[in-house]
Amino acid sequence: AQKITQTQPGMFVQEKEAVTLDCTYDTSDPSYGLFWYKQPSSGEMIFLIYQGSYDQQNATEGRYSLNFQKARKSANLVISASQLGDSAMYFCAMRERSFGNQGGKLIFGQGTELSVKP
Amino acid sequence: IAGITQAPTSQILAAGRRMTLRCTQDMRHNAMYWYRQDLGLGLRLIHYSNTAGTTGKGEVPDGYSVSRANTDDFPLTLASAVPSQTSVYFCASSDGAGGPRIEQFFGPGTRLTVL
Repeated sequence: AQKITQTQPGMFVQEKEAVTLDCTYDTSDPSYGLFWYKQPSSGEMIFLIYQGSYDQQNATEGRYSLNFQKARKSANLVISASQLGDSAMYFCAMRERSFGNQGGKLIFGQGTELSVKP
Repeated sequence: IAGITQAPTSQILAAGRRMTLRCTQDMRHNAMYWYRQDLGLGLRLIHYSNTAGTTGKGEVPDGYSVSRANTDDFPLTLASAVPSQTSVYFCASSDGAGGPRIEQFFGPGTRLTVL
């Protein structure tokens, strides 16, 4: 069964420094996608970055990059040059191929709360 | 462009009462989803719908029902609320459900408290 694990309930980082949020996953499907979402204190879910299982290169989106290590089944989010506005809850999620009526369901990790210190 | 709207924003409900959480999207997405978010557990899928007229059960469907009469609306009903259903509920949608790349867009959430 597919599973996502985020082992860091909370993390602190100094402003302007880089931080890595860990995510490991488990799936038997060779075709899958990995997502990171940000949830600020206001509560909305904001899509950050996507990595496909067949993508040859690590995904990047501005200050966000995904350190994808397929053999280790890890998809860590790296935030460079942290800003105060990066303080939020971060969720890793996975989606497998869907067949028939199974739907494109996302499986989420438990989340990591990041606090950026000035 | 509103995207996904949810109503109500928050609600306090007595146990045993019936409650429907509303979700409407204006993106003409085929697939819609309901998740609940609980501290330490992340988001868990309750029900989903790949297209109007079809629904499916997610990870935690017990005590909830959904319907999908049209593309835009996907209401979630608690037939007889219990305190364990106290949670934040998110509705989401995606343009199709077949491939792993398809992004899900989330509504602002409904905070429900069952006393």
